Amino acid sequence: QVQLVESGGGVVQPGRSLRLSCAASGFTFSSFTIHWVRQAPGKGLEWVALMSYDGSNKYNADSVKGRFTISRDNSKNTLYLQMNSLRAEDTAVYYCARDYGDTQVILDYWGQGTLVTVSS
Amino acid sequence: SSELTQDPAVSVALGQTVRIKCQGDSLRTYYASWFQQKPGQAPVLVIYGEDSRPSGIPDRFSGSRSGNTVSLTITGAQAEDEADYYCNAWDSSGNHVLFGGGTKLTVL
Repeated sequence: QVQLVESGGGVVQPGRSLRLSCAASGFTFSSFTIHWVRQAPGKGLEWVALMSYDGSNKYNADSVKGRFTISRDNSKNTLYLQMNSLRAEDTAVYYCARDYGDTQVILDYWGQGTLVTVSS
Repeated sequence: SSELTQDPAVSVALGQTVRIKCQGDSLRTYYASWFQQKPGQAPVLVIYGEDSRPSGIPDRFSGSRSGNTVSLTITGAQAEDEADYYCNAWDSSGNHVLFGGGTKLTVL
């Protein structure tokens, strides 16, 4: 069965860095675009970034541009999110999600999320 | 515009039909998806494409599109349908992803 498991969250001070991982299993990881989506406490969903199946295309939300970097290692079936210069407003549950779509974004499987808290 | 707009809250009587709407310019070009999220849980895809349901999603959930508006319809709402619902689609550039602000559905 398809599984996505996020890890790497925790409490970090403003201005510091953190790297999240998303370990995939149960499907051919190297064939799918994967996204990061976050949700601040009590707030809605916010798209963060995506990387295409082969890593050739990646896009970030404007709110994280220049600070967050998405990457993947298809040999390890793992997606990463390197988060630098963290701010209080980056506090959120971070989800990774598989994109089943081609011309449409279809996030058909999600992990359970990992909580990032940015606080001094 | 680069946003998707949803009503913050909607209520429906048990067993009745409810429509949740999502508006945005990019919806004239791209299909939307709909997600259900219950407290403390990850979002679950309930509708994608023109009107497709993933395996395991009850057929009381359906989708439609007209112009710049997409709708999620729940026909015969059940108590377990009480949740937050989000729409999602590409933005007009086709390389950023949008989420609506979410609609909290209350089943009375």
